[in-house]
Amino acid sequence: GDSVTQMEGPVTLSEEACLTINCTYTATGYPSLFWYVQYPGEGLQLLLKATKADDKGSNKGFEATYRKETTSFHLEKGSVQVSDSAVYFCALSFPYTGANSKLTFGKGITLSVRP
Amino acid sequence: GAGVSQSPSNKVTEKGKDVELRCDPISGHTALYWYRQSLGQGLEFLIYFQGNSAPDKSGLPSDRFSAERTGGSVSTLTIQRTQQEDSAVYLCASSLALGTLFVEQYFGPGTRLTVT
Repeated sequence: GDSVTQMEGPVTLSEEACLTINCTYTATGYPSLFWYVQYPGEGLQLLLKATKADDKGSNKGFEATYRKETTSFHLEKGSVQVSDSAVYFCALSFPYTGANSKLTFGKGITLSVRP
Repeated sequence: GAGVSQSPSNKVTEKGKDVELRCDPISGHTALYWYRQSLGQGLEFLIYFQGNSAPDKSGLPSDRFSAERTGGSVSTLTIQRTQQEDSAVYLCASSLALGTLFVEQYFGPGTRLTVT
Protein backbone atom coordinates (compact mmCIF):
# COMPACT_ATOMS: atom_id res chain seq x y z
CA GLY A 1 0.00 0.00 0.00
CA ASP A 2 0.88 3.67 -0.04
CA SER A 3 3.28 4.87 2.63
CA VAL A 4 5.32 7.85 3.74
CA THR A 5 8.66 7.60 5.51
CA GLN A 6 10.13 10.45 7.50
CA MET A 7 13.52 10.73 9.10
CA GLU A 8 13.68 9.81 12.78
CA GLY A 9 13.47 12.53 15.37
CA PRO A 10 13.44 14.54 17.48
CA VAL A 11 15.50 17.34 16.00
CA THR A 12 16.93 20.16 18.09
CA LEU A 13 18.46 23.20 16.41
CA SER A 14 19.70 26.62 17.41
CA GLU A 15 17.88 29.66 16.11
CA GLU A 16 18.96 30.67 12.58
CA ALA A 17 20.26 27.18 11.78
CA CYS A 18 19.36 25.45 8.51
CA LEU A 19 16.70 22.78 8.55
CA THR A 20 16.15 19.76 6.34
CA ILE A 21 13.56 17.11 7.19
CA ASN A 22 13.64 14.15 4.84
CA CYS A 23 10.49 12.57 3.47
CA THR A 24 10.13 9.79 0.91
CA TYR A 25 7.02 8.05 -0.30
CA THR A 26 5.85 4.83 -1.87
CA ALA A 27 2.70 5.02 -3.92
CA THR A 28 0.95 3.37 -6.81
CA GLY A 29 0.18 6.27 -9.04
CA TYR A 30 0.85 9.96 -8.90
CA PRO A 31 0.02 11.45 -5.50
CA SER A 32 -0.17 15.00 -4.28
CA LEU A 33 2.28 15.70 -1.45
CA PHE A 34 1.88 17.78 1.68
CA TRP A 35 3.61 18.98 4.79
CA TYR A 36 1.39 19.50 7.82
CA VAL A 37 2.46 21.17 11.06
CA GLN A 38 1.14 20.83 14.59
CA TYR A 39 2.19 23.66 16.90
CA PRO A 40 2.07 23.02 20.66
CA GLY A 41 -1.53 23.01 21.86
CA GLU A 42 -2.93 23.59 18.38
CA GLY A 43 -4.56 21.49 15.68
CA LEU A 44 -2.97 20.09 12.57
CA GLN A 45 -2.65 22.62 9.76
CA LEU A 46 -1.44 22.55 6.20
CA LEU A 47 2.02 24.09 5.78
CA LEU A 48 2.60 23.59 2.06
CA LYS A 49 1.70 21.34 -0.86
CA ALA A 50 2.79 20.20 -4.31
CA THR A 51 0.58 18.44 -6.81
CA LYS A 52 2.96 17.47 -9.64
CA ALA A 53 6.59 16.65 -10.30
CA ASP A 54 9.06 19.52 -9.87
CA ASP A 55 6.44 21.68 -8.16
CA LYS A 56 7.87 23.63 -5.24
CA GLY A 57 5.56 24.31 -2.33
CA SER A 58 6.47 27.20 -0.05
CA ASN A 59 5.06 28.95 3.00
CA LYS A 60 6.45 30.80 6.06
CA GLY A 61 10.00 30.43 4.71
CA PHE A 62 9.66 26.66 4.33
CA GLU A 63 10.06 24.97 0.95
CA ALA A 64 9.71 21.47 -0.44
CA THR A 65 10.13 20.22 -4.00
CA TYR A 66 8.23 17.25 -5.44
CA ARG A 67 10.93 14.92 -6.80
CA LYS A 68 9.31 12.08 -8.70
CA GLU A 69 12.60 10.45 -9.68
CA THR A 70 13.63 10.03 -6.05
CA THR A 71 10.05 9.86 -4.67
CA SER A 72 10.95 12.53 -2.16
CA PHE A 73 9.51 15.74 -0.71
CA HIS A 74 12.11 17.05 1.73
CA LEU A 75 11.22 20.07 3.87
CA GLU A 76 13.81 22.87 4.07
CA LYS A 77 14.19 26.22 5.76
CA GLY A 78 17.26 28.37 5.63
CA SER A 79 16.96 29.97 9.05
CA VAL A 80 14.69 28.51 11.71
CA GLN A 81 13.07 30.49 14.50
CA VAL A 82 11.95 29.50 17.98
CA SER A 83 8.37 29.83 16.75
CA ASP A 84 8.99 26.98 14.27
CA SER A 85 9.11 24.50 17.15
CA ALA A 86 6.38 22.00 16.32
CA VAL A 87 5.67 18.53 15.01
CA TYR A 88 5.95 18.18 11.23
CA PHE A 89 4.14 15.54 9.19
CA CYS A 90 4.73 14.60 5.58
CA ALA A 91 1.65 13.22 3.83
CA LEU A 92 0.25 12.14 0.49
CA SER A 93 -3.16 11.76 -1.04
CA PHE A 94 -4.82 11.09 -4.35
CA PRO A 95 -7.34 13.91 -4.45
CA TYR A 96 -8.42 13.28 -8.00
CA THR A 97 -9.69 9.74 -7.36
CA GLY A 98 -13.23 10.88 -6.79
CA ALA A 99 -13.75 13.00 -3.73
CA ASN A 100 -11.95 10.74 -1.23
CA SER A 101 -8.79 12.63 -0.46
CA LYS A 102 -7.74 10.62 2.58
CA LEU A 103 -4.26 11.46 3.73
CA THR A 104 -1.50 8.95 4.38
CA PHE A 105 0.91 10.42 6.92
CA GLY A 106 4.47 9.81 7.95
CA LYS A 107 5.12 9.30 11.66
CA GLY A 108 5.97 12.95 12.24
CA ILE A 109 9.06 14.57 13.61
CA THR A 110 9.37 16.95 16.54
CA LEU A 111 11.46 20.05 15.93
CA SER A 112 12.71 22.11 18.86
CA VAL A 113 14.50 25.40 18.20
CA ARG A 114 16.65 26.89 20.97
CA PRO A 115 17.05 30.67 21.30
CA GLY B 1 -15.69 31.72 10.22
CA ALA B 2 -15.97 28.74 12.53
CA GLY B 3 -13.54 25.90 12.06
CA VAL B 4 -13.95 22.21 12.73
CA SER B 5 -14.94 21.56 16.32
CA GLN B 6 -14.73 18.35 18.31
CA SER B 7 -16.10 17.31 21.65
CA PRO B 8 -15.17 16.40 24.24
CA SER B 9 -11.61 17.67 24.15
CA ASN B 10 -10.59 15.04 26.68
CA LYS B 11 -12.25 11.79 27.66
CA VAL B 12 -11.11 9.32 30.28
CA THR B 13 -12.99 6.06 30.37
CA GLU B 14 -12.68 2.66 31.95
CA LYS B 15 -11.79 -0.36 29.90
CA GLY B 16 -14.92 -2.01 28.55
CA LYS B 17 -17.06 1.11 28.44
CA ASP B 18 -18.47 2.64 25.26
CA VAL B 19 -17.53 6.16 24.17
CA GLU B 20 -18.89 8.62 21.61
CA LEU B 21 -16.77 11.32 20.02
CA ARG B 22 -18.37 14.18 18.15
CA CYS B 23 -17.24 16.24 15.17
CA ASP B 24 -18.84 19.41 13.80
CA PRO B 25 -17.35 20.13 10.36
CA ILE B 26 -17.10 23.46 8.63
CA SER B 27 -20.48 24.46 7.25
CA GLY B 28 -20.85 23.40 3.63
CA HIS B 29 -18.05 20.84 3.70
CA THR B 30 -19.48 17.62 2.34
CA ALA B 31 -16.39 15.48 2.91
CA LEU B 32 -15.51 14.43 6.46
CA TYR B 33 -12.62 12.30 7.70
CA TRP B 34 -11.68 10.69 10.99
CA TYR B 35 -8.04 10.01 11.83
CA ARG B 36 -6.32 8.62 14.89
CA GLN B 37 -3.02 9.85 16.29
CA SER B 38 -1.27 7.46 18.63
CA LEU B 39 2.29 7.08 19.85
CA GLY B 40 2.85 3.71 18.31
CA GLN B 41 1.08 4.14 14.98
CA GLY B 42 1.40 7.83 14.15
CA LEU B 43 -1.50 9.42 12.26
CA GLU B 44 -3.86 6.89 10.68
CA PHE B 45 -6.95 7.28 8.52
CA LEU B 46 -10.07 5.69 9.97
CA ILE B 47 -13.11 6.54 7.84
CA TYR B 48 -14.32 8.92 5.13
CA PHE B 49 -17.81 10.34 4.69
CA GLN B 50 -19.26 11.91 1.60
CA GLY B 51 -22.49 13.45 2.74
CA ASN B 52 -24.10 10.90 5.05
CA SER B 53 -22.59 7.84 3.44
CA ALA B 54 -19.22 6.26 4.21
CA PRO B 55 -17.70 4.86 1.02
CA ASP B 56 -14.37 4.19 2.71
CA LYS B 57 -14.27 2.54 6.12
CA SER B 58 -11.01 0.76 5.43
CA GLY B 59 -9.13 2.29 8.34
CA LEU B 60 -11.46 1.23 11.15
CA PRO B 61 -9.29 -1.09 13.25
CA SER B 62 -12.03 -3.45 14.46
CA ASP B 63 -15.79 -3.93 14.53
CA ARG B 64 -15.85 -2.16 17.89
CA PHE B 65 -15.44 1.06 15.93
CA SER B 66 -18.32 2.64 14.06
CA ALA B 67 -19.25 6.08 12.83
CA GLU B 68 -22.24 7.86 11.45
CA ARG B 69 -23.01 11.23 9.98
CA THR B 70 -26.40 12.88 9.98
CA GLY B 71 -27.78 15.75 7.94
CA GLY B 72 -24.54 15.90 6.00
CA SER B 73 -23.03 17.65 8.98
CA VAL B 74 -22.26 16.32 12.47
CA SER B 75 -20.45 13.01 12.77
CA THR B 76 -20.14 10.68 15.73
CA LEU B 77 -17.39 8.10 16.15
CA THR B 78 -18.38 5.35 18.58
CA ILE B 79 -16.00 2.92 20.20
CA GLN B 80 -17.62 0.00 21.99
CA ARG B 81 -16.00 -1.99 24.78
CA THR B 82 -12.96 0.25 24.83
CA GLN B 83 -9.51 -1.27 25.21
CA GLN B 84 -6.31 0.35 26.42
CA GLU B 85 -4.90 0.28 22.89
CA ASP B 86 -7.73 2.62 21.87
CA SER B 87 -6.05 5.42 23.83
CA ALA B 88 -5.13 8.07 21.28
CA VAL B 89 -6.06 11.49 19.94
CA TYR B 90 -8.95 11.24 17.51
CA LEU B 91 -8.91 13.92 14.83
CA CYS B 92 -11.68 14.99 12.53
CA ALA B 93 -11.16 16.88 9.28
CA SER B 94 -13.52 18.29 6.70
CA SER B 95 -13.19 19.56 3.17
CA LEU B 96 -15.09 20.54 0.10
CA ALA B 97 -15.48 17.53 -2.18
CA LEU B 98 -14.34 18.77 -5.55
CA GLY B 99 -12.37 15.83 -6.91
CA THR B 100 -9.66 18.14 -8.22
CA LEU B 101 -5.91 18.01 -7.81
CA PHE B 102 -5.97 19.68 -4.44
CA VAL B 103 -8.62 19.93 -1.78
CA GLU B 104 -7.44 21.15 1.62
CA GLN B 105 -8.58 19.32 4.70
CA TYR B 106 -9.22 21.42 7.79
CA PHE B 107 -8.58 19.65 11.05
CA GLY B 108 -10.28 19.97 14.39
CA PRO B 109 -8.38 20.18 17.68
CA GLY B 110 -8.96 16.51 18.43
CA THR B 111 -10.36 14.45 21.29
CA ARG B 112 -7.79 12.88 23.59
CA LEU B 113 -9.13 9.49 24.70
CA THR B 114 -7.55 7.71 27.63
CA VAL B 115 -8.71 4.21 28.50
CA THR B 116 -7.77 3.15 32.02
